[in-house]
Amino acid sequence: GAGVSQSPRYKVTKRGQDVALRCDPISGHVSLYWYRQALGQGPEFLTYFNYEAQQDKSGLPNDRFSAERPEGSISTLTIQRTEQRDSAMYRCASSSRQGRAGYTFGSGTRLTVV
Amino acid sequence: AQKVTQAQTEISVVEKEDVTLDCVYETRDTTYYLFWYKQPPSGELVFLIRRNSFDEQNEISGRYSWNFQKSTSSFNFTITASQVVDSAVYFCALSDPNTDKLIFGTGTRLQVFP
Repeated sequence: GAGVSQSPRYKVTKRGQDVALRCDPISGHVSLYWYRQALGQGPEFLTYFNYEAQQDKSGLPNDRFSAERPEGSISTLTIQRTEQRDSAMYRCASSSRQGRAGYTFGSGTRLTVV
Repeated sequence: AQKVTQAQTEISVVEKEDVTLDCVYETRDTTYYLFWYKQPPSGELVFLIRRNSFDEQNEISGRYSWNFQKSTSSFNFTITASQVVDSAVYFCALSDPNTDKLIFGTGTRLQVFP
């Protein structure tokens, strides 16, 4: 596609529910990144993939968070048993090759846990 | 550890004024990239510039200019003759050269009044 596409754009869920956030990167982009941005803060790194391999998940806050990119294209970030503190903007970005810094961010998914 | 500091939380100016947004970074790496992103009220993250750590030349793009000084670990951003459309949150970021993940500052909110 022309840009990085994320869905849903907005998600409101009840505490304790699982959510899955989807990222469709720019076609052909090797690297895919997930970030989380709390209100009034800068984005914080969660995890990233090269092709289908998860290279670094050091930013995932706890084991309720997981991500996959099974075919090296679309990625899903899953949050299990959501808590109110998970409320944030979740952003995905992709780049053509690791080391080619300056990637393109998607519009994000605004998650609200009530 | 890598860190980006944007000491100015919020700046207000009147249209046509020049304004400089400060960014100071910390890293032990000799190779890295520095970035500026703009986040307008609509929420997306818009890439403005990427600067390689080996390139200390200042850059000008229209009303925007960037001053990179390795000696003071600063990468400041100046908007000349500001306009209302420049109102946004501006983020400075530093890349990890091994993983390409970005470390963001907390952002500076710029308000330009007519």
